[in-house]
Amino acid sequence: GESVGLHLPTLSVQEGDNSIINCAYSNSASDYFIWYKQESGKGPQFIIDIRSNMDKRQGQRVTVLLNKTVKHLSLQIAATQPGDSAVYFCAENIGGSNYKLTFGKGTLLTVNP
Amino acid sequence: GAGVSQTPSNKVTEKGKYVELRCDPISGHTALYWYRQSLGQGPEFLIYFQGTGAADDSGLPNDRFFAVRPEGSVSTLKIQRTERGDSAVYLCASSLIPGGEGTQYFGPGTRLTVL
Repeated sequence: GESVGLHLPTLSVQEGDNSIINCAYSNSASDYFIWYKQESGKGPQFIIDIRSNMDKRQGQRVTVLLNKTVKHLSLQIAATQPGDSAVYFCAENIGGSNYKLTFGKGTLLTVNP
Repeated sequence: GAGVSQTPSNKVTEKGKYVELRCDPISGHTALYWYRQSLGQGPEFLIYFQGTGAADDSGLPNDRFFAVRPEGSVSTLKIQRTERGDSAVYLCASSLIPGGEGTQYFGPGTRLTVL
């Protein structure tokens, strides 16, 4: 079946360090992947996305890497700041309809000052 | 600009009651989605609207759940005969265009508590 999961449920880093959050997916038909950030009491906030025809995409302080061979996705946050503390979800978009997002359970990132 | 808004932010009701949750999408967004998020979990898809019609309601858990979008903008999620298991955060999202080209932007959610 379809599944999106995370290797690490929690991640604690020091301010200024780089963070890496990992995600595994099982459906080789998935062609669109998104990372969302969710702060307590708020809805998920779009961070960055990537399509299956790419293996890397960069944004402001964030980079997403996609390894289709091992069905692995990662989010790298450079110079992590306290404001980056949140739960991070990867989501995948499966199949021809291309609208239904399937989310993993999330990783809690804590940034220590 | 204004994002997706949802009302109420919190709703407490008793088992067996009827509730309505409202979503105002970003202006001009044609696609609208409802998700449900249980504590400690990622959001789960419920229903998707393209315009006024429900293009996919396969995520609705049972026939107590229903959603409408009569004018292709505001949507209401309706839950009849609420059960304690319905307690969750109900999230609404919208996108400018449907499909993989349309980034889904989420609202803050409505936290529903069924006593």
